[in-house]
Amino acid sequence: GAVVSQHPSRVICKSGTSVKIECRSLDFQATTMFWYRQFPKQSLMLMATSNEGSKATYEQGVEKDKFLINHASLTLSTLTVTSAHPEDSSFYICSARLGKETQYFGPGTRLLVL
Amino acid sequence: QKEVEQNSGPLSVPEGAIASLNCTYSDRGSQSFFWYRQYSGKSPELIMSIYSNGDKEDGRFTAQLNKASQYVSLLIRDSQPSDSATYLCAAPMTTDSWGKFQFGAGTQVVVTP
Repeated sequence: GAVVSQHPSRVICKSGTSVKIECRSLDFQATTMFWYRQFPKQSLMLMATSNEGSKATYEQGVEKDKFLINHASLTLSTLTVTSAHPEDSSFYICSARLGKETQYFGPGTRLLVL
Repeated sequence: QKEVEQNSGPLSVPEGAIASLNCTYSDRGSQSFFWYRQYSGKSPELIMSIYSNGDKEDGRFTAQLNKASQYVSLLIRDSQPSDSATYLCAAPMTTDSWGKFQFGAGTQVVVTP
């Protein structure tokens, strides 16, 4: 099946710093990717839709100036958590859409902000 | 706000038995549903998708959809310890942007030897 990678798999940073997470579709082109966030013992919550060549669309309650998304190519979307704080500590998962009805999830990035 | 509801569990199932998981949804317009399995610390992996009323079988898994009653279920036959995971029910949030999923909270399944 199609493969989606994320980098890094785990990151620890100090409060106030910015962290960039990459999501790559390895063997297919994805015009649309999605970013989800999952807090412990909770389900996945969609944060934003990343569209190649255009601005991302954010779900209600997600600060677009804090979570910067760039989808500069058909195989790469990046999520930058700016000025991270401990409450941003979470499991960030991207997914890439292939065709109309199939999407593949990346392995996730665990962020810990101290 | 569209809702996808699941019992959080844990659902304890003896090895070899059938695990039955349920999911209800609030949007009568929802047309497709997905079951994902998520192991602890890992991202979700797709088990089944179902679009039509009735049953859909794939190996040991059977998804059931009842649009009139707005529920979708997942049966796991001959449960194995490796089936111990959290099972997430998901439905697209909109019909024009496939991939934007509304996930349920997930049901934790524990298969006991």
